[in-house]
Amino acid sequence: AQSVTQLGSHVSVSEGALVLLRCNYSSSVPPYLFWYVQYPNQGLQLLLKYTSAATLVKGITGFEAEFKKSETSFHLTKPSAHMSDAAEYFCAVTKGSSNTGKLIFGQGTTLQVKP
Amino acid sequence: DVKVTQSSRYLVKRTGEKVFLECVQDMDHENMFWYRQDPGLGLRLIYFSYDVKMKEKGDIPEGYSVSREKKERFSLILESASTNQTSMYLCASTRSGSVAKNIQYFGAGTRLSVL
Repeated sequence: AQSVTQLGSHVSVSEGALVLLRCNYSSSVPPYLFWYVQYPNQGLQLLLKYTSAATLVKGITGFEAEFKKSETSFHLTKPSAHMSDAAEYFCAVTKGSSNTGKLIFGQGTTLQVKP
Repeated sequence: DVKVTQSSRYLVKRTGEKVFLECVQDMDHENMFWYRQDPGLGLRLIYFSYDVKMKEKGDIPEGYSVSREKKERFSLILESASTNQTSMYLCASTRSGSVAKNIQYFGAGTRLSVL
């Protein structure tokens, strides 16, 4: 069965510092992987996706993530945090094969950016 | 621009009431989903629909039902609201296609309080 684990429910960084949000997954079939961001009082929006092409994927607002099959990881990074990055971030993996259209979401990581 | 609209941002209901949460998408998407979001638990799938008048149970369907009479509208129904259904409810939609069906577009959410 597929699952997603996000390490750390809260991450705090200073403005300008590196952002690293961790995501590990388990899947018995080749997965698609996603990062979504949720700003306060809003729904989720897609940040970036891995769909079996390039293992390093870039998203909106300067974030990127690398699919590492050997480590079953899909960590999200950004070289320099901005105050506007403060939000909750969710990692997700396709449930079953990619044909189901269903996702399994991690527990979420709240990113705090300090001035 | 893609749009998923949930009819209410905040809702307060009494225990035992029948509650309707409405979701409309304007993208002609085939697939629609209802999730609930709780702190520390991420998003959990309640029900989904691949077509008009079609519905399938997700991971936590107990106490909920759904209706999809038109392609653009997907309703979540709490037959007899209980306090443990106090939560944030998120609607999402996707179009068909091997990759596209996994890219979910979310509404802003309805925060339901059951007293």
